[in-house]
Amino acid sequence: SAVISQKPSRDICQRGTSLTIQCQVDSQVTMMFWYRQQPGQSLTLIATANQGSEATYESGFVIDKFPISRPNLTFSTLTVSNMSPEDSSIYLCSVERDPGNTIYFGEGSWLTVV
Amino acid sequence: AQSVTQLDSQVPVFEEAPVELRCNYSSSVSVYLFWYVQYPNQGLQLLLKYLSGSTLVKGINGFEAEFNKSQTSFHLRKPSVHISDTAEYFCAVSPDGSGNTGKLIFGQGTTLQVKP
Repeated sequence: SAVISQKPSRDICQRGTSLTIQCQVDSQVTMMFWYRQQPGQSLTLIATANQGSEATYESGFVIDKFPISRPNLTFSTLTVSNMSPEDSSIYLCSVERDPGNTIYFGEGSWLTVV
Repeated sequence: AQSVTQLDSQVPVFEEAPVELRCNYSSSVSVYLFWYVQYPNQGLQLLLKYLSGSTLVKGINGFEAEFNKSQTSFHLRKPSVHISDTAEYFCAVSPDGSGNTGKLIFGQGTTLQVKP
């Protein structure tokens, strides 16, 4: 299995501010993924974070709003910029771990924007 | 494009009864299939996965699922549920079924409510 730690686990943020979420994995992985889960809804992939290159964003998500860093093979950050109440969500980091291409998720970062 | 449909948003069931949570998918290519569970106020935990081979896969906590290619389904079952199984269950597929399986497409989720 994979141990994935996310910080912060929860936060209440003011409208218009930005927050950076950290994801730390217990061993090296090639790709890390960031998902969003809005209240009462399913998960949606925001972007794929590769070490040494820019993140790849899914339709509907842009780098200016969700800048991502991937400085090494065990760490990534997601910033939620200029937050509005619509950004209140759980943000989850995930990694793909062999064998069997199993995808593991962190516990999530629960953000509330007021 | 791929899509996942979980046919029931909520499934109420009494303790020790069997349960089936339904999942259908749409894809023009081969896929990998997954079921995840999210307990209240927690992250996602992998229940089971189908990558290839036997179409009946067994997971943790007594759950199993059967891949049916002709019906494009991957229904989750448990013969006898416990109160502790109360949670949100998500079916997911990976778009290309090979290599980059970290890009998952999720269904809307099914809330399993186990009553005493």
